Amino acid sequence: TQLLEQSPQFLSIQEGENLTVYCNSSSVFSSLQWYRQEPGEGPVLLVTVVTGGEVKKLKRLTFQFGDARKDSSLHITAAQPGDTGLYLCAGAGSNYQLIWGAGTKLIIKP
Amino acid sequence: DTAVSQTPKYLVTQMGNDKSIKCEQNLGHDTMYWYKQDSKKFLKIMFSYNNKELIINETVPNRFSPKSPDKAHLNLHINSLELGDSAVYFCASSQGPGRTGELFFGEGSRLTVL
Repeated sequence: TQLLEQSPQFLSIQEGENLTVYCNSSSVFSSLQWYRQEPGEGPVLLVTVVTGGEVKKLKRLTFQFGDARKDSSLHITAAQPGDTGLYLCAGAGSNYQLIWGAGTKLIIKP
Repeated sequence: DTAVSQTPKYLVTQMGNDKSIKCEQNLGHDTMYWYKQDSKKFLKIMFSYNNKELIINETVPNRFSPKSPDKAHLNLHINSLELGDSAVYFCASSQGPGRTGELFFGEGSRLTVL
């Protein structure tokens, strides 16, 4: 069974600080997606990483896929209150299914 | 225009009742999904349809029955509702069932069973 462990589960920091969220697995994924979910809404795709070692940037968010395609990280620089939300990673596993992390609830305090 | 829309957004009902949630997508996608998000925010896939054909059917009680009249619609009917069915149910769609299929989610339907 493929599992995706996401950490930390909860993070509350001050505006302007940096943070990193991790997704780790013992399984290899063909790709990995990151989503952000705000209260009362569905998850929204932020990025998909496909190649081992790939780094993608979305403004102050930096996403990295591990060389072995077993792990990924999301780094936010100078966090803003608008970054508050639930961040979810999802790895594309076998049988076309997405394997989901448990989510990281991020609160950025002004 | 809303890409993936589901109704109702909120549903409060008594134990034992039967209820349905409807979903429609206007993205032209071939694949649609139902997910359940529990109180701890964990997303669990329930069903997936590709071009009206069931391709994923996870371990879900038989009380849950999906129906896809066409590839733009996927409805979820729940019989004999139980307290544990209380959750947010998300409909989603993707271009295909491929491994890089990126999901587009609806806003969710919050079901509360009393």
